[in-house]
Amino acid sequence: AQSVAQPEDQVNVAEGNPLTVKCTYSVSGNPYLFWYVQYPNRGLQFLLKYITGDNLVKGSYGFEAEFNKSQTSFHLKKPSALVSDSALYFCAVRYDYKLSFGAGTTVTVRA
Amino acid sequence: DAGITQSPRHKVTETGTPVTLRCHQTENHRYMYWYRQDPGHGLRLIHYSYGVKDTDKGEVSDGYSVSRSKTEDFLLTLESATSSQTSVYFCAISVPAGTPSSYNEQFFGPGTRLTVL
Repeated sequence: AQSVAQPEDQVNVAEGNPLTVKCTYSVSGNPYLFWYVQYPNRGLQFLLKYITGDNLVKGSYGFEAEFNKSQTSFHLKKPSALVSDSALYFCAVRYDYKLSFGAGTTVTVRA
Repeated sequence: DAGITQSPRHKVTETGTPVTLRCHQTENHRYMYWYRQDPGHGLRLIHYSYGVKDTDKGEVSDGYSVSRSKTEDFLLTLESATSSQTSVYFCAISVPAGTPSSYNEQFFGPGTRLTVL
């Protein structure tokens, strides 16, 4: 079965510091991986995806993600975090025409 | 929100009553999904649809049914609501493969907060 895991429930960083949100995956075949963000009382917003090609994927709001096949990871990164990046982040993997989500990581960026 | 609306946005109901949530899309996408979001569980798929009258179960389908009589509407029904169904429910659509800038990523509606007392 396709699945993803987000090993950290919470990540706390200071504004201006690098932000990393971790995700590992378990799939049979080629992985199709996604990151979403959820701001308070809002729906999920698509950030970026990895389908094939370059291991570094760039997405919305200055986020990027690094696909690492040997470590089965797809970590989300931002070089310089903003207070407005405080939100709930979900990693997901595609199987058939569905998505399986991780449990989510709450990011808090302090001023 | 990719042209997706959900109604109602908030609902409080009592145990044992039937509840129907509606998802409406304006772009005629084939695939539609219902998820529930609970702390510590992320989003879990309840049911999904791959066309009018074509639906299938997700991982947490017990106690829920769905219907899709028109491309634009996907209804989720709780036959007899229980307190364990208190949750936030999200509808999503899937942008089809072959679209130049997409590969089946999903786009979500604003959610319905349901409380079962």
